[in-house]
Order: sequence, then structure tokens, then C-alpha cells
Amino acid sequence: EDQVTQSPEALRLQEGESSSLNCSYTVSGLRGLFWYRQDPGKGPEFLFTLYSAGEEKEKERLKATLTKKESFLHITAPKPEDSATYLCAVQAGRTYKYIFGTGTRLKVLA
Amino acid sequence: GAVVSQHPSRVICKSGTSVKIECRSLDFQATTMFWYRQFPKKSLMLMATSNEGSKATYEQGVEKDKFLINHASLTLSTLTVTSAHPEDSSFYICSPIFSTDTQYFGPGTRLTVL
Repeated sequence: EDQVTQSPEALRLQEGESSSLNCSYTVSGLRGLFWYRQDPGKGPEFLFTLYSAGEEKEKERLKATLTKKESFLHITAPKPEDSATYLCAVQAGRTYKYIFGTGTRLKVLA
Repeated sequence: GAVVSQHPSRVICKSGTSVKIECRSLDFQATTMFWYRQFPKKSLMLMATSNEGSKATYEQGVEKDKFLINHASLTLSTLTVTSAHPEDSSFYICSPIFSTDTQYFGPGTRLTVL
């Protein structure tokens, strides 16, 4: 069964304290892995798509990487405005369906 | 990026009533629409997939007679929660698909059933 697991469930960082969020997946025929940011009471906001092992993408303080079993979202020198829930999702097989992880709730303290 | 709207953003209703949620893709045409529900501090759970002009496909455990989905045009899909009960209270999010490599989401509708 296709599965996506994110860790940690929650993370508290001091402003400027870099860290990484993990997304482990077990799927048949990965077509893409997606990272989203979700603020409370809002829909997810697209961040990155990764397609193959070794691929990396960056956006401001965020960098996403992908291996054959997991993806990391690295946050460099985070700021309080980076506080949000970060969701990972995979698209696998022949359908358009996305399988979401349970998310990591990030809190960055000033 | 693509713009997706949902209406209403919040709704409170009495148990037994029906509630309709609209999802519009404002600057692109979506042949496929995903509807998700999300409980507090939980991830998105896919409820159903609809294609414009055809019947929706529901995920296992989702009652098709309770959650009516209509995808009558390429820019509008509706989800109607019929005879709502408190356990239906949740955050409902639509996601129109126009590209396989990017998924955009609506801002969500918070449903509270008293």
C-alpha cells in the first residue's frame, strides 16, 4: 500500500536555527513528490515538485531534496513568518491522485 | 500562480440541513477536480475525484449520497453535504487539476454543524 510519513510531527526552532523536515514514502511508480505550506484556516500553498532521486530545488530559505526513499525540506536561518504546517505529497501510478503525509507543524520563535 | 476560490469560506448550519460549497478556478479550465476534507491537525484526505460532465469517483468510505459532487463546467464544481451532522464538521478543500506537475488548492471552507 502506498504510504507517506512525515517527521517530526511538530518542530520548534529559534529564529536562525536551521533544520530539516523529513518525508518518507513507499509507493509504486513515483511520478512526483510535492511540498506544500499550509497556514491555519487556509488551503495548502504549492512550494516544490521533485521528480527523480538526486533532484534539488530551492526557494528563498527553503531547499527540497529527493532520494529513492525520502525527501527533505531544509530550512536555513528560519524566520517567524516561516511558521506553518509543511505537507508532503506523492503522486504515483497512473492516476492523478495525490497521497498526503500528516504534515510537520513548524513554529519559529523570535 | 493559478487562482482558485471557494464559497463560502465559513458556514455554520443546524444538523439535518444541507450545505453547498462552490469551487471556482478563476484563470484556467480544470477537467478534473479533487475534493478533500481535513480534520484539525490532520492531513488532507481525498474524498472524491470529479471530471467535468461525468459522475464523480468516491474514495472508499465516503458516502456518495451524502456528499454530492457536481462538476458541470470547466471552471465550477460544487460539493453538497446533505443532511449534515456534527461529525461532518470539517475543513473542505477543493483542488482543480490542469497540470500533472502542480496542484493548486482552494482556500477551504470551514463547515460547523451544530
